[in-house]
Amino acid sequence: EAQVTQNPRYLITVTGKKLTVTCSQNMNHEYMSWYRQDPGLGLRQIYYSMNVEVTDKGDVPEGYKVSRKEKRNFPLILESPSPNQTSLYFCASSLWGGGGYEQYFGPGTRLTVT
Amino acid sequence: GIQVEQSPPDLILQEGANSTLRCNFSDSVNNLQWFHQNPWGQLINLFYIPSGTKQNGRLSATTVATERYSLLYISSSQTTDSGVYFCAASGGGAQKLVFGQGTRLTINP
Repeated sequence: EAQVTQNPRYLITVTGKKLTVTCSQNMNHEYMSWYRQDPGLGLRQIYYSMNVEVTDKGDVPEGYKVSRKEKRNFPLILESPSPNQTSLYFCASSLWGGGGYEQYFGPGTRLTVT
Repeated sequence: GIQVEQSPPDLILQEGANSTLRCNFSDSVNNLQWFHQNPWGQLINLFYIPSGTKQNGRLSATTVATERYSLLYISSSQTTDSGVYFCAASGGGAQKLVFGQGTRLTINP
């Protein structure tokens, strides 16, 4: 089944404790990205990757890191999480990054930072 | 950048009713998608519809790209249709989706 998977689905952590949210897709997509969803602010893009070893900032990249060492994986790294990073996170992928391609979303990761 | 506006923000209906959700966008688009966010927070792809009309069961969507709007129709609503419906679009050479603020649909039995 073609899908985007994320792990963990739920995470409660404490301020400053490094964490990684994994994202994997099995559709051989070139483009992957991360969004966060917050009440009143909607969904906003954090980082994106046009293909392997190519990443770039989205609208709200502060406090996050990403890497794209393999086509299928695009982990989101929070080196020192803070309470304002409490949010619902989505990973997405599409065939290409040039615009005009359907994006497929993972199931979401609900992160709480205390 | 592109802006996406959805209306109405809230919609409350009885089971069996039909509904129309609207999405306006500020510029020409190369991607437009409709999603349903269920109570568990998952974003369910409904339609990829940068132009034209598509139907899937009780749901259908139409995008009139020249007039910069898209409509999502839900017929014979069921309680399981409740949730938030998002429209998202991208334009130019960008793949980033810009989301509207959503329409919260409540279907009462």
